Amino acid sequence: DAGVIQSPRHEVTEMGQEVTLRCKPISGHDYLFWYRQTMMRGLELLIYFNNNVPIDDSGMPEDRFSAKMPNASFSTLKIQPSEPRDSAVYFCASSLAGGSFNEQFFGPGTRLTVL
Amino acid sequence: AQKVTQAQTEISVVEKEDVTLDCVYETRDTTYYLFWYKQPPSGELVFLIRRNSFDEQNEISGRYSWNFQKSTSSFNFTITASQVVDSAVYFCALSESSGGTSYGKLTFGQGTILTVHP
Repeated sequence: DAGVIQSPRHEVTEMGQEVTLRCKPISGHDYLFWYRQTMMRGLELLIYFNNNVPIDDSGMPEDRFSAKMPNASFSTLKIQPSEPRDSAVYFCASSLAGGSFNEQFFGPGTRLTVL
Repeated sequence: AQKVTQAQTEISVVEKEDVTLDCVYETRDTTYYLFWYKQPPSGELVFLIRRNSFDEQNEISGRYSWNFQKSTSSFNFTITASQVVDSAVYFCALSESSGGTSYGKLTFGQGTILTVHP
């Protein structure tokens, strides 16, 4: 069974450029999460979706960040324009809601470097 | 607001030693879930265990064991006879119940870096 798939695994870009991170959740999972991991702030939840609908985006740092989930098998996190302080590892995770099994399964992450 | 504290930033042990990673949490919910995740040097986050707030039974899985104590709001993780492959960052996390479902957002602790020396 394929796990959560993220692309690209590494991204190096220059300040001001647009960056798009992609995620394919585990088939059948109805929750999708975007996290950011930095040394200073640890793991932070940016936004999460349920059945493709954004539920809570209070963790999105500012308007430069946007996320979409056009269908159950694909989500994007976009940063426009990017800044050096956006450099981090971005994780996507998915889970099944309800019942007693709601552990989140994480993708391998995208390491973003903004120069 | 929920909060997870892992007071130990780094722990260093020699192989075969036992090691305990501490986790203390804060929540106003009566229904919640606690998790441990492992992040090895390769970077991915690996789920280790989930425990709900109504189940205070300790759990053992091979060399891993977890001690959940509601009275002290702690969910500690012990590795017995540690091995070099246990070297990783370990995260404790809390998920509160959301409405009538058993689902909630995950709040992570800052993580504990465990280094096991041969």
